[in-house]
Amino acid sequence: GENVGLHLPTLSVQEGDNSIINCAYSNSASDYFIWYKQESGKGPQFIIDIRSNMDKRQGQRVTVLLNKTVKHLSLQIAATQPGDSAVYFCAEDFSGGGADGLTFGKGTHLIIQP
Amino acid sequence: DAGITQSPRHKVTETGTPVTLRCHQTENHRYMYWYRQDPGHGLRLIHYSYGVKDTDKGEVSDGYSVSRSKTEDFLLTLESATSSQTSVYFCATAGGARNQPQHFGDGTRLSIL
Repeated sequence: GENVGLHLPTLSVQEGDNSIINCAYSNSASDYFIWYKQESGKGPQFIIDIRSNMDKRQGQRVTVLLNKTVKHLSLQIAATQPGDSAVYFCAEDFSGGGADGLTFGKGTHLIIQP
Repeated sequence: DAGITQSPRHKVTETGTPVTLRCHQTENHRYMYWYRQDPGHGLRLIHYSYGVKDTDKGEVSDGYSVSRSKTEDFLLTLESATSSQTSVYFCATAGGARNQPQHFGDGTRLSIL
């Protein structure tokens, strides 16, 4: 919703620069991770996912890096554009969980400066 | 996401009234979820469904009930709305229980006065 960006960490980057958004996940048994983008007034939108048997996965202008040693996930956005302004959050799937397995982070608000 | 429709998109109601939110999907996904999103809390799971007439509680289920009589529809009911239930509610679906992304609707903004 409109207030989803409040109280969140903010990352401000210049248009055309690369952005790196970080996420520390909580459970060492998690084996699947997702990045979502949420624009104001809209629902979370799937961007990219990665399984724990991979360290890196690339999509169109986005790359996700996974460091299982320190339980860290990052999303790199190349050549950021005004349309990239949004809240980004990660989700983890705990391998011991059931159908309710996704746990969501609170997110980072990415602001693109012209 | 295409294929997930939430209704209504906005609703204002009074404390003590019953409220039902609807989620309709055309993806034929087995799993459906209801979340609420509040500033400072992120997405919190209310209830979820793993098939027709199969539902279970999530993290914040008190004061909410759900029903799923058809694959495509998942209803969330607030039996007697309270001001603490003012929030944005999101429905999500997934094709599988594990290692699958959940896809979200655009939400219902609910205000309880």
